[in-house]
Amino acid sequence: AQSVAQPEDQVNVAEGNPLTVKCTYSVSGNPYLFWYVQYPNRGLQFLLKYITGDNLVKGSYGFEAEFNKSQTSFHLKKPSALVSDSALYFCAVRSSSGTYKYIFGTGTRLKVLA
Amino acid sequence: GAGVSQSPSNKVTEKGKDVELRCDPISGHTALYWYRQSLGQGLEFLIYFQGNSAPDKSGLPSDRFSAERTGGSVSTLTIQRTQQEDSAVYLCASTQKTSGTDTQYFGPGTRLTVL
Repeated sequence: AQSVAQPEDQVNVAEGNPLTVKCTYSVSGNPYLFWYVQYPNRGLQFLLKYITGDNLVKGSYGFEAEFNKSQTSFHLKKPSALVSDSALYFCAVRSSSGTYKYIFGTGTRLKVLA
Repeated sequence: GAGVSQSPSNKVTEKGKDVELRCDPISGHTALYWYRQSLGQGLEFLIYFQGNSAPDKSGLPSDRFSAERTGGSVSTLTIQRTQQEDSAVYLCASTQKTSGTDTQYFGPGTRLTVL
């Protein structure tokens, strides 16, 4: 069965510091991995995805994520956090074979402190 | 064109009543997904539609939940005999096709409160 784990309910980081939001997954077959962000009172917005190729994926707003197959992880990173990055972040996975069902994590709330 | 739209944005209902939630996907998108977002529980897959294929209903939590998609466009999620545990934000998303590499575009959601 597919699953996604976001082990941290909340991450606090000072503005200007690097940030990491963790995600691990379990899926049969090759994974398609996604990060979405949800700002207050707004819908989910796509940030980036890993399908194949380079393990380091760059996305919107300066975010990037690294696919690590051996650790089954897809952590979201940004070199320098902004207060405006404060939001709820979701990791999602879909198997490359079979179902078109996407499995989402429980979300991690990122709070960037000025 | 316009993004995914959902209506109503908020719905308050009494326990036992039926509710209908509507989703208008992006024009031309063939795949449509419904999710439920409960506090502290992330997004729960409910159902997806792809073109004229039979929908994948495997995520519907009970037979009180049903959904249809008319003409390959607008979708309606119906919850019969609502219960308090149905209270959540219901999100709709569409993609151009379901290759798995395509981005899902989400609507703003419908917040359902069952009293």
